[in-house]
Amino acid sequence: ETAVFQTPNYHVTQVGNEVSFNCKQTLGHDTMYWYKQDSKKLLKIMFSYNNKQLIVNETVPRRFSPQSSDKAHLNLRIKSVEPEDSAVYLCASSLQDSGNTLYFGEGSRLIVV
Amino acid sequence: QQKVQQSPESLTVSEGAMASLNCTFSDGTSNNFRWYRQHSAKGLEVLVSIFSDGEKEEGRFTAHLNRANLHVSLHIREPQPSDSAVYLCAVVTSGGNYKPTFGKGTSLVVHP
Repeated sequence: ETAVFQTPNYHVTQVGNEVSFNCKQTLGHDTMYWYKQDSKKLLKIMFSYNNKQLIVNETVPRRFSPQSSDKAHLNLRIKSVEPEDSAVYLCASSLQDSGNTLYFGEGSRLIVV
Repeated sequence: QQKVQQSPESLTVSEGAMASLNCTFSDGTSNNFRWYRQHSAKGLEVLVSIFSDGEKEEGRFTAHLNRANLHVSLHIREPQPSDSAVYLCAVVTSGGNYKPTFGKGTSLVVHP
């Protein structure tokens, strides 16, 4: 049963445009994440966030930024997309930032043309 | 930096035959391992978690951990066509920031 909801599931846009992906979890978790999954299925963490701390993967370009209104929501904004941003973006949540099981959304596929 | 490698890249088995997937990791202090499954165009779902050497069974899925050999495996008993998916190994390093490192996955196809 899905408890991490992502929208949109699919988005096509042109280079230079701004894109936002939304994520909401109904599990009562206090930590949320964004992962990027490339065409070879490799998952790389971009951000993790709880109400105390935002941790950014230092390899993430500055055009990416997380936005959170409360612990159940963590959106991902891309200010000016580039072709290499084409990927599936997966949102996840967990109970505490302590190596617990991650619960994933179904992903948001971005295609940059 | 933790390196997680999975083999084989792809695996085809017949329905009912055991499927075995492998995962090696580089950091011997790792103490938290999970196997996830990802069906096409879907998110990941956790199958089994293991935290100490030996085996852990969850239904038809059994994980075996041997930290001395830096190896964790997943065995799927009586696989079904609905088990066709990508299987990802996730390893968490002790004393780190608790973020799991994922392998590239094994693509499993189960033929009827």
